[in-house]
Amino acid sequence: GQQVMQIPQYQHVQEGEDFTTYCNSSTTLSNIQWYKQRPGGHPVFLIQLVKSGEVKKQKRLTFQFGEAKKNSSLHITATQTTDVGTYFCAVPDSGGGADGLTFGKGTHLIIQP
Amino acid sequence: ETGVTQTPRHLVMGMTNKKSLKCEQHLGHNAMYWYKQSAKKPLELMFVYNFKEQTENNSVPSRFSPECPNSSHLFLHLHTLQPEDSALYLCASSPEGGAQHFGDGTRLSIL
Repeated sequence: GQQVMQIPQYQHVQEGEDFTTYCNSSTTLSNIQWYKQRPGGHPVFLIQLVKSGEVKKQKRLTFQFGEAKKNSSLHITATQTTDVGTYFCAVPDSGGGADGLTFGKGTHLIIQP
Repeated sequence: ETGVTQTPRHLVMGMTNKKSLKCEQHLGHNAMYWYKQSAKKPLELMFVYNFKEQTENNSVPSRFSPECPNSSHLFLHLHTLQPEDSALYLCASSPEGGAQHFGDGTRLSIL
């Protein structure tokens, strides 16, 4: 099945610093989704990227989809304690439709006040 | 409140027990999913149902048996589980190709 590599596994930042997590696939993706999971919680959908080179923003979060549709990134500007959690990218497990997702291993964001 | 409800929230069972996990979604979605999340591995897709029909079984051992009686309900029947099956089991639903909405999960411990 589909595989996606996500780095880094852990990221420690001081509150107010920026944060970035990256996902890479060896194959061209139809789309990529991003989820956030707070400690003790469940994954919550953030965004879906579909178009080559797409950039989307949600307040301090910026999502990018690579031109070749093989990589993606999530960047958080000026982190806050509410940003703590694990950020996952996820790609369709097979070709489109009501398919499950293959998740990256996630990046754990740890914020030091 | 996510619109996806899972019960029970916690379950402790012996290896010879039979139990079932339940998931119910109130979002009108056509697709439902079971995922396993353990400490050492990323979220793993187990089963996919679309319009009540199983469309994917990700090489899951037969001691896990899913059931989808209608588009709103999904069960995971458990039988003769192993200690390595201890994990958080997450149910999700989605419109076709859209964002997945997860329940709070069932934390399963096998003694």
